[in-house]
Amino acid sequence: GEDVEQSLFLSVREGDSSVINCTYTDSSSTYLYWYKQEPGAGLQLLTYIFSNMDMKQDQRLTVLLNKKDKHLSLRIADTQTGDSAIYFCAEKKSGGGFKTIFGAGTRLFVKA
Amino acid sequence: GAVVSQHPSRVICKSGTSVKIECRSLDFQATTMFWYRQFPKKSLMLMATSNEGSKATYEQGVEKDKFLINHASLTLSTLTVTSAHPEDSSFYICSARERVQGAYNEQFFGPGTRLTVL
Repeated sequence: GEDVEQSLFLSVREGDSSVINCTYTDSSSTYLYWYKQEPGAGLQLLTYIFSNMDMKQDQRLTVLLNKKDKHLSLRIADTQTGDSAIYFCAEKKSGGGFKTIFGAGTRLFVKA
Repeated sequence: GAVVSQHPSRVICKSGTSVKIECRSLDFQATTMFWYRQFPKKSLMLMATSNEGSKATYEQGVEKDKFLINHASLTLSTLTVTSAHPEDSSFYICSARERVQGAYNEQFFGPGTRLTVL
């Protein structure tokens, strides 16, 4: 299967919290990332977490890492219409040239 | 953050022609550049990794004679799709990384190039 998996679609109401989930396979990954892609644009790094951390909070964003289950989540508090985008989970491999492997992306749709 | 540009942002070409896409790091020296291809509803597929002044390393299944990558300077990498066919139509994204100084080095992504082959 794919190295990084995430659901393809999430719909929330404006003001609610969004939780985007991701699973990965490489337990030796050093960094895990969340990127945001707006229509027709490249990827923007939102946040990242080092593999020895469980949680990282940055304003409205909270990243949770469960290393045992190889599960990563991104929580967006007070979701706004401007948060509508595709969110990619990614892991940086610890070897093999430190390649970054991406999931398929979760399309977040925020309803006003 | 650092800026990576791509040119052109959109290109339409006839089948059989070659197309060159440029990727530039605008305010930093990119010792490593990556080329990705994005398929609808699928993950970004890493095509190749190039280090300045050396040959690109291609991922399995990517034809190096079809996707020519040149990383001639610390701020410029080019991807040439040779003899393009409709199946090469895709969104191509480059990213650049500075020389690895420590444990963490962010990759900065370009805005992407939409290639349509008729």
